[in-house]
Amino acid sequence: DAGVIQSPRHEVTEMGQEVTLRCKPISGHDYLFWYRQTMMRGLELLIYFNNNVPIDDSGMPEDRFSAKMPNASFSTLKIQPSEPRDSAVYFCASRAGHLSSYEQYFGPGTRLTVT
Amino acid sequence: GDSVTQMEGPVTLSEEAFLTINCTYTATGYPSLFWYVQYPGEGLQLLLKATKADDKGSNKGFEATYRKETTSFHLEKGSVQVSDSAVYFCALSGLDNNNDMRFGAGTRLTVKP
Repeated sequence: DAGVIQSPRHEVTEMGQEVTLRCKPISGHDYLFWYRQTMMRGLELLIYFNNNVPIDDSGMPEDRFSAKMPNASFSTLKIQPSEPRDSAVYFCASRAGHLSSYEQYFGPGTRLTVT
Repeated sequence: GDSVTQMEGPVTLSEEAFLTINCTYTATGYPSLFWYVQYPGEGLQLLLKATKADDKGSNKGFEATYRKETTSFHLEKGSVQVSDSAVYFCALSGLDNNNDMRFGAGTRLTVKP
């Protein structure tokens, strides 16, 4: 299995631009999570989906952030407009719903820099 | 609410030293407990897990035992290597149909030759 795939691995953009981060979960996994990691705030859960449906988006910072999961093998996290304080590493993770141990598998992350 | 507290770092050890990273949790039920490791520039990788009291998770020489009486899941390794240098996260999940995972703040370990 290829694991969770994220793209791009690095993104540098200017303030005010739209940024789209992409994630492909592990095949057969029906939960997908988006996290943000910064030195100041650590690892934060932004949103998670179950069977492509958003379940909890209480961690999404503000209306500039949106996430979609149009099918079981693809999700996007969009920031519009981007701001310098959005600079962070964004991780996608997935897990299988039938596993009772709840372990999540993480992608390599997208390092976003907003100048 | 449900949470995880782990010892603050950074931790610096010499090669072959004994490692302990403390982790305690607060939970209303019986969560599954995890240790994840993050190497520089990479995502988090599951290191080991335990799903019920007295279970011992182990992997790559690391061990942790689920202690319900002390609500702890301390990570240990008898002899660390330079390649173990990374950030270690304690986490819990599986409470009250809550599907998210609660992470500790992470402990940075540096092993010197």
